Amino acid sequence: NAGVTQTPKFQVLKTGQSMTLQCAQDMNHNSMYWYRQDPGMGLRLIYYSASEGTTDKGEVPNGYNVSRLNKREFSLRLESAAPSQTSVYFCASRQQGAKDEAFFGQGTRLTVV
Amino acid sequence: GESVGLHLPTLSVQEGDNSIINCAYSNSASDYFIWYKQESGKGPQFIIDIRSNMDKRQGQRVTVLLNKTVKHLSLQIAATQPGDSAVYFCAEGSGGYNKLIFGAGTRLAVHP
Repeated sequence: NAGVTQTPKFQVLKTGQSMTLQCAQDMNHNSMYWYRQDPGMGLRLIYYSASEGTTDKGEVPNGYNVSRLNKREFSLRLESAAPSQTSVYFCASRQQGAKDEAFFGQGTRLTVV
Repeated sequence: GESVGLHLPTLSVQEGDNSIINCAYSNSASDYFIWYKQESGKGPQFIIDIRSNMDKRQGQRVTVLLNKTVKHLSLQIAATQPGDSAVYFCAEGSGGYNKLIFGAGTRLAVHP
């Protein structure tokens, strides 16, 4: 099982460029999440999607947009990248139930220069 | 505001010893807590969770303790092994757990 797959794994952008981070899960989970992780810090929630067709802001949504394309896919878009968005981005999915653990992807390391 | 913090940023232990990683939380409305392990270059991996109606839960070599009176969460790892070396995060959630809030993490270093 692939679990949660993120692409790309690494990316370097120039300030002002745009890009989309892709995330797909094959576990038929309802909920999906995007987090960013800065050095020496925990994960901060950017956006989440409780179910297909819905998205909501997390702790740090400014500068980002998301699309829940279908139940499997949840993308994160940076319209105009800034150096402050240099971070490692993690996608996660979860199915609320008896065991509520969230499964994380391997991360996308983004550098904005 | 809501926050999750950790008492110790780095914990060094000898192989075979027991490890205790601590976490303080401030949102009294949180009703779900999770411990994650993150190895270098990888995404967080679920270890164990606990709901607010419990004060202790055990897994394989791990135990989570929840003290709601002082808003404290701990992860105990028995017979710590080199493979346990990683950064450990606690996270708290409430109201459907969609907004899982993570702490800054504690690095566990296991020495032979």
